[in-house]
Amino acid sequence: SAVISQKPSRDICQRGTSLTIQCQVDSQVTMMFWYRQQPGQSLTLIATANQGSEATYESGFVIDKFPISRPNLTFSTLTVSNMSPEDSSIYLCSVEDRRTYEQYFGPGTRLTVT
Amino acid sequence: GDSVTQMEGPVTLSEEAFLTINCTYTATGYPSLFWYVQYPGEGLQLLLKATKADDKGSNKGFEATYRKETTSFHLEKGSVQVSDSAVYFCALSSFDGNEKLTFGTGTRLTIIP
Repeated sequence: SAVISQKPSRDICQRGTSLTIQCQVDSQVTMMFWYRQQPGQSLTLIATANQGSEATYESGFVIDKFPISRPNLTFSTLTVSNMSPEDSSIYLCSVEDRRTYEQYFGPGTRLTVT
Repeated sequence: GDSVTQMEGPVTLSEEAFLTINCTYTATGYPSLFWYVQYPGEGLQLLLKATKADDKGSNKGFEATYRKETTSFHLEKGSVQVSDSAVYFCALSSFDGNEKLTFGTGTRLTIIP
C-alpha cells in the first residue's frame, strides 16, 4: 500500500485567508483524490486530480474556491480560498492502487476557520 | 447516482458481543464495495473489500459479503473487543471512468468492557 503524508496536519486560519494543503505519496500514482470530512459527517469527494490534466470537480465544488495542482505523479496540493467558518473540516487526499482498486488515505489536515 | 445507506449510530456493545452494521447501496453496473475504519485520532484505513457478487471480504475478524440480489454489504464480527471502537464507513466505487469512492454516513461503534 502507498504511504501518504499531508502538510500541515492542522491549522487555524482567519476568515478570508487561503490555505494550501500538500499531499505527498511515496510512489507514482495516476489518480489522486481530495475529500472533505465536515465535523461528524462522512467524506465527500471534492475533486479528482490526474497528472498533466485539469482537476475534475464534483457538483458543489468549484476551481475558484478549491484550486488544485498536480505537478507530478507523487505530489498534489489543494488550496482552500477565501475561507469562511463553513470550511472548517478535515481535508484528506487519497490515491488509488490501479492493480487492486483500493484507495489509501492520508492522515488528513484539520482546518479550523475563525 | 451512486449512493450508500448505512446503519445509523451510535452503536454501543459489550465486549465479546456479535456485531452487525448494515450497509445497502445503489449503483449502476457492478461496483466494488469497501469498509473503511477510522480509529480515534487516526486516519481512514481500508478494513476489507469485495469486488464482485458473492465475494466475501475479511480482515481482523470482520467479514462482509457482497450480496447483489439485496444490494447489501453488511459488516459482521463474531466477538468484538474494546479495541474495535471506531467509526466504520461503507463505501462503493463504480468503474465509470472515475473511480471515486461514495461513502455512507459512518457508524460510530463503542465497545464497553
